[in-house]
Amino acid sequence: AQSVTQPDIHITVSEGASLELRCNYSYGATPYLFWYVQSPGQGLQLLLKYFSGDTLVQGIKGFEAEFKRSQSSFNLRKPSVHWSDAAEYFCAVGHSGTYKYIFGTGTRLKVLA
Amino acid sequence: DAGVTQSPTHLIKTRGQQVTLRCSPKSGHDTVSWYQQALGQGPQFIFQYYEEEERQRGNFPDRFSGHQFPNYSSELNVNALLLGDSALYLCASSFPGLPNEQFFGPGTRLTVL
Repeated sequence: AQSVTQPDIHITVSEGASLELRCNYSYGATPYLFWYVQSPGQGLQLLLKYFSGDTLVQGIKGFEAEFKRSQSSFNLRKPSVHWSDAAEYFCAVGHSGTYKYIFGTGTRLKVLA
Repeated sequence: DAGVTQSPTHLIKTRGQQVTLRCSPKSGHDTVSWYQQALGQGPQFIFQYYEEEERQRGNFPDRFSGHQFPNYSSELNVNALLLGDSALYLCASSFPGLPNEQFFGPGTRLTVL
């Protein structure tokens, strides 16, 4: 069965520091991969997605992610974090045989001034 | 261009009652998915509606049912509410094919007492 693992429940970084949030998935074929961000009490906003092609994907707000098939990973990165990036981040996976997306349990990001 | 809208924002019910949540998709979208997000968890897929039919369902009991109207809006109904049904209910809209990206609404916070 498909699954998504976000190993880090909480991450704290200083403003201006770089960020990497980890995501590992379990699925045999090429997955569809997503990163969403959720501010407290809000819905989910799509940061970026990977369907096929170039494995380095650029998203909104300066985020990027890299699909590594050999590691079954889709880690999210940002070179310099801003205080407004504090939120919860979710990785999600789908594939061609289903309309259902599986979400990880999320990583809560705290940004220190 | 209106995004996904959901109503009501918050709802308080007691055990055993029934609830109806509503969703209007993003302009141009005709497919609606519903997710349940318990506190501290990632969203879990309930079902997806397309052409007024449920075309895929997650691991939720029959107490959870839905409907899609000709204007593509959708309702989620939950009968015989349990305390464990307390959660944020998210609606997402998309185009019908795969792969696609799902656009989420702000959610309805349901509290069951």
